[in-house]
Amino acid sequence: DAGVIQSPRHEVTEMGQEVTLRCKPISGHNSLFWYRQTMMRGLELLIYFNNNVPIDDSGMPEDRFSAKMPNASFSTLKIQPSEPRDSAVYFCASSFETGSLPQHFGDGTRLSIL
Amino acid sequence: AQSVTQLGSHVSVSEGALVLLRCNYSSSVPPYLFWYVQYPNQGLQLLLKYTTGATLVKGINGFEAEFKKSETSFHLTKPSAHMSDAAEYFCAVSGPSGAGSYQLTFGKGTKLSVIP
Repeated sequence: DAGVIQSPRHEVTEMGQEVTLRCKPISGHNSLFWYRQTMMRGLELLIYFNNNVPIDDSGMPEDRFSAKMPNASFSTLKIQPSEPRDSAVYFCASSFETGSLPQHFGDGTRLSIL
Repeated sequence: AQSVTQLGSHVSVSEGALVLLRCNYSSSVPPYLFWYVQYPNQGLQLLLKYTTGATLVKGINGFEAEFKKSETSFHLTKPSAHMSDAAEYFCAVSGPSGAGSYQLTFGKGTKLSVIP
């Protein structure tokens, strides 16, 4: 079975541009997580969805960040406008139990904002 | 509040030697504890977890960890290192909403190098 699929794997763009990261969770999983990983701050939970509904977005840094899950097989994380400090690796993870810990991570999107 | 401290950002061991990666935690509730492994350019994989019951837990790839409440520790060990164990390892504690919560607090990670 395919794991969590993220695209693109790498993104380089200029400051001020809109960035959209995509995630396809494992089929049948009802929980989806977006994480950000940086050297300075480590792994941070940005947002948690359950059954396509955002349950906890307290980790979203500011209004420039938004996330959607229009259906059970697709989620996006959007940054508009992007800033150099948004440069990080962004991970999507999914699990099949409500409220459970993230079990399966995608390989991440490495984002560089110039 | 939850916190995790991993002692040593880098650990080097010889192939065949004991692997010991240290993790201490702070938790306001009885903790659930986890170890994840991250190989280069990949996402995290769950190695093992402690929830309740037996304090020595076994995971994948020959790793195990022991929950010691009195020491607030959850150190990861493997008797004999293999080249394929080279990766970054993250300790995590669940909370603060309670054990089993989706909210994980991760340590900063320990990068393990295995010397042939």
